[in-house]
Amino acid sequence: EPEVTQTPSHQVTQMGQEVILRCVPISNHLYFYWYRQILGQKVEFLVSFYNNEISEKSEIFDDQFSVERPDGSNFTLKIRSTKLEDSAMYFCASQHGAQRGTGELFFGEGSRLTVL
Amino acid sequence: GDSVTQMEGPVTLSEEAFLTINCTYTATGYPSLFWYVQYPGEGLQLLLKATKADDKGSNKGFEATYRKETTSFHLEKGSVQVSDSAVYFCALIAYSGAGSYQLTFGKGTKLSVIP
Repeated sequence: EPEVTQTPSHQVTQMGQEVILRCVPISNHLYFYWYRQILGQKVEFLVSFYNNEISEKSEIFDDQFSVERPDGSNFTLKIRSTKLEDSAMYFCASQHGAQRGTGELFFGEGSRLTVL
Repeated sequence: GDSVTQMEGPVTLSEEAFLTINCTYTATGYPSLFWYVQYPGEGLQLLLKATKADDKGSNKGFEATYRKETTSFHLEKGSVQVSDSAVYFCALIAYSGAGSYQLTFGKGTKLSVIP
């Protein structure tokens, strides 16, 4: 069964360093998302991406964050200068075009980011 | 804004016990409601959903009924198995008229089932 894959599964970085989290969505999906969950808190929406541009973003997704689909298969989240409060589990998700607006997303297993 | 509140975990049950995980929500408009599950080492996956009041979603022996009067969507299973050990997330999507389609999640409830 097709699945969303994320790398790395766990990354430890120093505050101020740049981090890139990678995702390979399901191949025929058109909508892509990043969510995050800080330990003990709710899963929060960061950004959605369609047709090579951001379609929606939350207040969390400030200038330190960027997303890209560099090669038609990968979908990346970059944090330019990490802060301690960026420590979280980051989930990538994708969605088939026909499921747009249904709430039915396919998620990866997450990338845990630890900022020291 | 929209929000989801689910019972705090972790929840530990013996095999064949009855499971209830409470979930309540606040939303503008007419939300669809979901339960997602994350098994160890895997991504979140949709477990069940309900799109309107009084609908019952069901899958793998789990059920949840959309109760508009109590703004609730409690997850139940009559007899849990060790393989049900996972983190369960309640979520909603509401159509605000502004084209907003992102899911709003709760914190998740970790369930451990012991033999």
